[in-house]
Amino acid sequence: SQTIHQWPATLVQPVGSPLSLECTVEGTSNPNLYWYRQAAGRGLQLLFYSIGIGQISSEVPQNLSASRPQDRQFILSSKKLLLSDSGFYLCAWTRGDEQFFGPGTRLTVL
Amino acid sequence: DQQVKQNSPSLSVQEGRISILNCDYTNSMFDYFLWYKKYPAEGPTFLISISSIKDKNEDGRFTVFLNKSAKHLSLHIVPSQPGDSAVYFCAASVYSGTYKYIFGTGTRLKVLA
Repeated sequence: SQTIHQWPATLVQPVGSPLSLECTVEGTSNPNLYWYRQAAGRGLQLLFYSIGIGQISSEVPQNLSASRPQDRQFILSSKKLLLSDSGFYLCAWTRGDEQFFGPGTRLTVL
Repeated sequence: DQQVKQNSPSLSVQEGRISILNCDYTNSMFDYFLWYKKYPAEGPTFLISISSIKDKNEDGRFTVFLNKSAKHLSLHIVPSQPGDSAVYFCAASVYSGTYKYIFGTGTRLKVLA
């Protein structure tokens, strides 16, 4: 069966500090991978998606970047966090038409 | 521009009654629709989906209805149970090299015992 992992589960970072969130998928190969953010009182906003190693598409201009160094690894990064980067970050992968989510990372920027 | 809208941020229903969650969309290119359930501090879990070629899909207590002419879909939960209390997101997908999913803002359902 397929499993998606995210870490860390929670993170508190000061403004201006760097960020690295990791997502890995098990049990499948060449998945399409996605990063979403759920900010307080808002829906799920698609940030990035990737259809293969080194292939990243950005949906919204922002302070974040993504990378896919390996087939089943997707990393969300920032060089300098902003207060507005606080939120719940979700990694997801697709199987056919359906999308499955990881457990999420709660990021608080102070 | 919010392409998928859930206009009711919250809904309260008595246990045993029907819960109806609504979702509207604007993009006629969407061809697949999904409902997710989300508990606090967890990732959303897939609940039920419907293709644009259908108008109804049923799975146990959950039924999704699609009205393409109105660009409207709804999720019916019958009978509602306290464990159904969660935030429900509708999502629509369109294929553009890969499937892209656009989510609504969510509706918080509270089922009262």
